[in-house]
Order: sequence, then structure tokens, then C-alpha cells
Amino acid sequence: EPEVTQTPSHQVTQMGQEVILRCVPISNHLYFYWYRQILGQKVEFLVSFYNNEISEKSEIFDDQFSVERPDGSNFTLKIRSTKLEDSAMYFCASSADFFQETQYFGPGTRLLVL
Amino acid sequence: SQQGEEDPQALSIQEGENATMNCSYKTSINNLQWYRQNSGRGLVHLILIRSNEREKHSGRLRVTLDTSKKSSSLLITASRAADTASYFCATPTSGTYKYIFGTGTRLKVLA
Repeated sequence: EPEVTQTPSHQVTQMGQEVILRCVPISNHLYFYWYRQILGQKVEFLVSFYNNEISEKSEIFDDQFSVERPDGSNFTLKIRSTKLEDSAMYFCASSADFFQETQYFGPGTRLLVL
Repeated sequence: SQQGEEDPQALSIQEGENATMNCSYKTSINNLQWYRQNSGRGLVHLILIRSNEREKHSGRLRVTLDTSKKSSSLLITASRAADTASYFCATPTSGTYKYIFGTGTRLKVLA
């Protein structure tokens, strides 16, 4: 069964450093998403991406964050200058069609900012 | 309550018993999804139920949706130790692309 994959599974970085989290969505899906989950808290929406542009973003997704689909398969989340409060599990998700279909989530990348 | 709030927050049962979790939401929805998350792991999709459906089954899972009460329930029958996880409902916010997740129900199934 097709699945969303994410790399790396864990990332440790120093405050102020840039990180890139990578995702390979399910191949025939058109909508892509990033969510995050701070330890012990809710899963929070960050951004959705469709047709090579951001379709929606939350207030969390400030200028430090960016997303890109550099080729036909990868979908990346970049955090330019990490803060301690960026420490969280980051989930990538994809769906074939937003309004009708399921969002399938990857296993997540656990980011720790020191 | 907030969009997509689960109840109870925690549930502990014996293997073989049934587990019922509830979710309430505030706004009109097109669909509602249930996910499972094992500790520190990814979100596994369980069931999507559409707004025009009242009940849906998948194996030992049964999901109901009552749009008049803006609530959904997830029933796991004949629970197993492997069902131990957190269970979340997720609802789309009308007119947006994002899903709102609740705080989840932490289910513990004792062998």
C-alpha cells in the first residue's frame, strides 16, 4: 500500500540553524500538508500546498518557514533560523482531493532544537 | 468545547472489552476522520466518515456520526493490547484546507 515517507526520522540542531525536513507524498496525490505536534499537545496545521503554491497557512507558519516541491516527488519544509519552541514532531500528509479524501500522514520527523 | 474534542481523555480497559471514544465539533463538516497514534509515532488513518453517512465499519472499528449533535463516536470491539494508543478525530474547517485535531483519547488495553 502506498505511504507517505519522511526523512530524517530524528533531527537535532542548534538554535539559529536552518533545517530542511523532507517528505515524499503518495505519488498520485495532489494536495500536500505539514502539521506539527509539540510533545503532549495537539496536532496543529501548518500549511497546505497545491499546484505548486501555498493554498493556506496557519499563524504558526511565519516567515521563518517555507515549503517547496523541488521535483516531482519531494515536498520539503524549511525552517530558516530554528528556535527552541520549534522542537516538535513534524508530520507531512498528502491527499488525492481535499474535500473528499483522506489525508495520509507520514511517520514524522522529531525535531529537537538545543 | 473546541473543534474536534475527544472524550474521555483517557480510558483503561481489559483485553476483550469494548472501547468507546467520543468526539464533538462545532462547525459544519464535509467529513470526519479518526486517526490512531502510538506513543511518539506517526498518525495512522482509521476511518473517514462523510457528512451524509451515519455509521461506518472497518474490521473491529465502528464509527458513528450525528451531524445534528455535531458528534462522532469510535467503538473498538474486542480490544487487544495492540490497540493501546491515542485516538484522535480530525475535522476540516469549513472553507479551508486544514484539519483540526482534538486532544485525543489515550486508550490503554490491559492484557
